Amino acid sequence: DSGVTQTPKHLITATGQRVTLRCSPRSGDLSVYWYQQSLDQGLQFLIQYYNGEERAKGNILERFSAQQFPDLHSELNLSSLELGDSALYFCATDSPGYGYTFGSGTRLTVV
Amino acid sequence: GQNIDQPTEMTATEGAIVQINCTYQTSGFNGLFWYQQHAGEAPTFLSYNVLDGLEEKGRFSSFLSRSKGYSYLLLKELQMKDSASYLCAVRVTLRDDKIIFGKGTRLHILP
Repeated sequence: DSGVTQTPKHLITATGQRVTLRCSPRSGDLSVYWYQQSLDQGLQFLIQYYNGEERAKGNILERFSAQQFPDLHSELNLSSLELGDSALYFCATDSPGYGYTFGSGTRLTVV
Repeated sequence: GQNIDQPTEMTATEGAIVQINCTYQTSGFNGLFWYQQHAGEAPTFLSYNVLDGLEEKGRFSSFLSRSKGYSYLLLKELQMKDSASYLCAVRVTLRDDKIIFGKGTRLHILP
C-alpha cells in the first residue's frame, strides 16, 4: 500500500456520461499529479495541483477537469465520455528521492 | 523538446541477466528514475540516479551517464515475477518541476 488512495478501483459507465475519480494523498503531501494510461500505452500526464492550485497542465482534454480541495484530496472529472476514454487513471504524489508515488489507479471502462 | 527512448519489448530466460537501455534528450535534467509496472497495476519505484555511475540494490542495478544522456537497468537472476514493464523516467526542472516517463519496456521472462 503506497498510502496514496484512489477510489473507485473500477468504474463502468456509458458513453456521454460524467464520472468523478478521487485521490487522497498521504498526510503532508501537497502535490497531486493525474495520469492516464490507455491499453499498451505509456503514462500520459494530465494535470498537476499543488496546495490547492493548478501548477501544470499536460494533454488534458477540455471535457476533463480537476481540482484540489483544502484537505488536499483531488478529484478528476471526466464528462461527455467516449469509448476512447477507457483507460487506467492514476494519481501520484512527489516524494524526494523516490519520484512519484502512485495510487493503485481507477480502471474506467466506457461502453 | 523532451524525449525518452527505450525498447518496446525484450525477452529473457529465468535465471539470466537482462539490461534495459534508456536514452534521453531533455533540458533541465534533475535525476533519472526506473519504475516497474505489472499489468493493470500502478508503477512502483525501483531506482534513482542523479549522479553518474552505478547504483546497486539487490538483484537490480541502475547506471547513469549524464554526458551521454544514457541509463540502463540491469536485472540479475531473473525470476518469473520480473515479467513486467519497466519505465525510464526523467525529472526535469525548468520553470516548473516534473517527471517525464518513457513508454516502457515490456519484459517477458521465459522458463
